[in-house]
Amino acid sequence: GAVVSQHPSRVICKSGTSVKIECRSLDFQATTMFWYRQFPKQSLMLMATSNEGSKATYEQGVEKDKFLINHASLTLSTLTVTSAHPEDSSFYICSAREAGGLSYEQYFGPGTRLTVT
Amino acid sequence: GIQVEQSPPDLILQEGANSTLRCNFSDSVNNLQWFHQNPWGQLINLFYIPSGTKQNGRLSATTVATERYSLLYISSSQTTDSGVYFCAVGAQKLVFGQGTRLTINP
Repeated sequence: GAVVSQHPSRVICKSGTSVKIECRSLDFQATTMFWYRQFPKQSLMLMATSNEGSKATYEQGVEKDKFLINHASLTLSTLTVTSAHPEDSSFYICSAREAGGLSYEQYFGPGTRLTVT
Repeated sequence: GIQVEQSPPDLILQEGANSTLRCNFSDSVNNLQWFHQNPWGQLINLFYIPSGTKQNGRLSATTVATERYSLLYISSSQTTDSGVYFCAVGAQKLVFGQGTRLTINP
């Protein structure tokens, strides 16, 4: 149980284009999903918290117009990197917390490796 | 915000050895999770342990919330245990430590 998927697993795009990454909770409903970013040999940094049916909350220093987050259903959140640049190349990981659950445990997707050329 | 420190940053052991990884945090938390990040980047949930002790096979973890630290024990290490181990703490949001890179040599 508690499986989170991400699609695509790997994407290469040209500078200036936009890329959408999907995060799905497969066997549970998630009112809250989280998006993280990880650079090589570094830790995970939280980018934003996504709540179903409302606007995402972005961490300080994260450009909300560049990283568009939509959480339209209890099982799907999307992250769109707009006008991507090489410095946006990174590993993006989402997580989800079960709706109505008693614990704060988060379940993580397998990640999406974005390369901007 | 909450600070998370993991130690040691790197650990190299021979197969069969035991290891202890430590996570210190600066504030009271409702969530503490240990993860193993595999070579493909996937975070594998090891333990959800805001307090107390849990065991799963060769792995066990203890969190002493009043003293703000958690320990991850790995016994009889195998080469497949190699990778980066993260602890993450918080409540609504998780703050990750910098990780411990564990290398198990055959």
